[in-house]
Amino acid sequence: GAVVSQHPSRVICKSGTSVKIECRSLDFQATTMFWYRQFPKQSLMLMATSNEGSKATYEQGVEKDKFLINHASLTLSTLTVTSAHPEDSSFYICSARDPGGGNNIQYFGAGTRLSVL
Amino acid sequence: GQNIDQPTEMTATEGAIVQINCTYQTSGFNGLFWYQQHAGEAPTFLSYNVLDGLEEKGRFSSFLSRSKGYSYLLLKELQMKDSASYLCAVRPPTGGGNKLTFGTGTQLKVEL
Repeated sequence: GAVVSQHPSRVICKSGTSVKIECRSLDFQATTMFWYRQFPKQSLMLMATSNEGSKATYEQGVEKDKFLINHASLTLSTLTVTSAHPEDSSFYICSARDPGGGNNIQYFGAGTRLSVL
Repeated sequence: GQNIDQPTEMTATEGAIVQINCTYQTSGFNGLFWYQQHAGEAPTFLSYNVLDGLEEKGRFSSFLSRSKGYSYLLLKELQMKDSASYLCAVRPPTGGGNKLTFGTGTQLKVEL
């Protein structure tokens, strides 16, 4: 399957700092990427849809000023958690939609485990 | 709205066959996906169904009945490495942004 790279895999930061997470599609161009959040033993919750060249679309209840998304190129989307607090500690996963093949399958990055102290 | 149901946990024996069910009630449908997720890792794509019937891929098969809002993932010749969470996800119709709605996942434990 297609390859999506996510970096960093783990971040530990102090409360009040900002953290940037990168998501790259390595072998296809992704006009659309998705950012998810996952708590332990729970399923993936979609946070926002990242659209190349335009503003991200946020799901209800997700603060757009808290979770800044930039999709500046067809292979890169970034999620910045601004002024992180302990309640933001979670597993963040990105995915990219592969338009090739006709099924628009989403392929996932390896995830970023954020721990806010 | 979207509602996707899967069993929370299942246990099976190495070498056996296990079927993981998924039922959905969604406002529109344009495909159902199965993903495998090992603890602490990201989901990996397993299968995709958009038409009724069975899709087979090696030891894994997935079935869909759109009229019943029902799918299952069949795993044959179970191996210890198949112990993982299996996520069922539904995609809305075209124009819905290709967003996926995930079920809560089924935690499969394969035992000797």
